[in-house]
Amino acid sequence: RKEVEQDPGPFNVPEGATVAFNCTYSNSASQSFFWYRQDCRKEPKLLMSVYSSGNEDGRFTAQLNRASQYISLLIRDSKLSDSATYLCVVNITGANNLFFGTGTRLTVIP
Amino acid sequence: GAVVSQHPSWVICKSGTSVKIECRSLDFQATTMFWYRQFPKQSLMLMATSNEGSKATYEQGVEKDKFLINHASLTLSTLTVTSAHPEDSSFYICSAYPGQGVRGAKNIQYFGAGTRLSVL
Repeated sequence: RKEVEQDPGPFNVPEGATVAFNCTYSNSASQSFFWYRQDCRKEPKLLMSVYSSGNEDGRFTAQLNRASQYISLLIRDSKLSDSATYLCVVNITGANNLFFGTGTRLTVIP
Repeated sequence: GAVVSQHPSWVICKSGTSVKIECRSLDFQATTMFWYRQFPKQSLMLMATSNEGSKATYEQGVEKDKFLINHASLTLSTLTVTSAHPEDSSFYICSAYPGQGVRGAKNIQYFGAGTRLSVL
């Protein structure tokens, strides 16, 4: 079973739409959670960390449900520049390495 | 944010040659560096964890004699793909981990820009 599972998409949404991505993780010892963004042929870049209380950064809102081992990312008022692959990433207690989901591909259409 | 430099960004080589990729943390000391590989339309897969001054820890299925990792200083790790073959063509990305308590939220890794390897 994969450590992190994501719906690969693709999600094609019009500009201005709200879109949500979900992710589940299998290891209950997971302690840190992140959303990374990866553009085509580029390295992943940290979008935001995900905290238990949920957190918001501009148009982006991340939620964590430890009981269900579930993480979400909500993007409001989508922009063309939001088109990318969004990676759900988890760190497990005692390990320094990260576990990546396969990513969810988002395309925002004019 | 923290800067990780990876070089070269793109390399094309003949089958059988060896290729060295460098990963440097420019403004922090990285106790641990990671090497990932990403095939088209797939996620990043961890190849090995590199700790300064000790042998790298390889993930299952990764040949340590083929992918040589050296982490000689706190700011530099190298990955050498020895006797590269076309099936080694991939996107190789390094990341550096500055250690807990450094630079804000813990467990954040900083990524290099990646190296695209094409073996002919």
